[in-house]
Amino acid sequence: NAGVTQTPKFRVLKTGQSMTLLCAQDMNHEYMYWYRQDPGMGLRLIHYSVGEGTTAKGEVPDGYNVSRLKKQNFLLGLESAAPSQTSVYFCASSYRMDGYEQYFGPGTRLTVT
Amino acid sequence: GENVEQHPSTLSVQEGDSAVIKCTYSDSASNYFPWYKQELGKRPQLIIDIRSNVGEKKDQRIAVTLNKTAKHFSLHITETQPEDSAVYFCAASQNSGYSTLTFGKGTMLLVSP
Repeated sequence: NAGVTQTPKFRVLKTGQSMTLLCAQDMNHEYMYWYRQDPGMGLRLIHYSVGEGTTAKGEVPDGYNVSRLKKQNFLLGLESAAPSQTSVYFCASSYRMDGYEQYFGPGTRLTVT
Repeated sequence: GENVEQHPSTLSVQEGDSAVIKCTYSDSASNYFPWYKQELGKRPQLIIDIRSNVGEKKDQRIAVTLNKTAKHFSLHITETQPEDSAVYFCAASQNSGYSTLTFGKGTMLLVSP
């Protein structure tokens, strides 16, 4: 099993450009999450999904959109990138949401200039 | 919402010493407390977790203690080794329904040989 994978691994964007980050999991997990990690800030939840076709806002959702068209995939979109969105983005998935381990992907390092 | 405070932000120990990382949480309804370890450039990985019906849990050299009255939980690492050097994150959530994890800001542990 590959577990949780993310593409791309690195990306540099100019302010105002758009892009989509792809997260895929092969563990048949129902729940998926997108976090951003900034120095000294820990992991902050952007959006999450409790099943195919459903999404919900996390702690820091502004400037991001998500979609979960297939159970195994969770997409994070930036419509108009800003320098404040420079960060490392982690996707995670879990079998259940209430008190179960979250499995993280390897991360995507995004720089917005 | 939940707020998780983590201390210290950095911790340096000599190999063989013990290390203790402390977290406090604000939501008395939280009852699931995992700890994640993140090595440099890698993804976070669960190392131990505890639920509110347990006061202490051990797994070889690591242990977690929970004081629900004080809303405080701690990670204890004994006989530290250089490979324990990493950033450690505590988190809290409710062990029911669609409850998301709230992470602390992390502790960078450096174990010197």
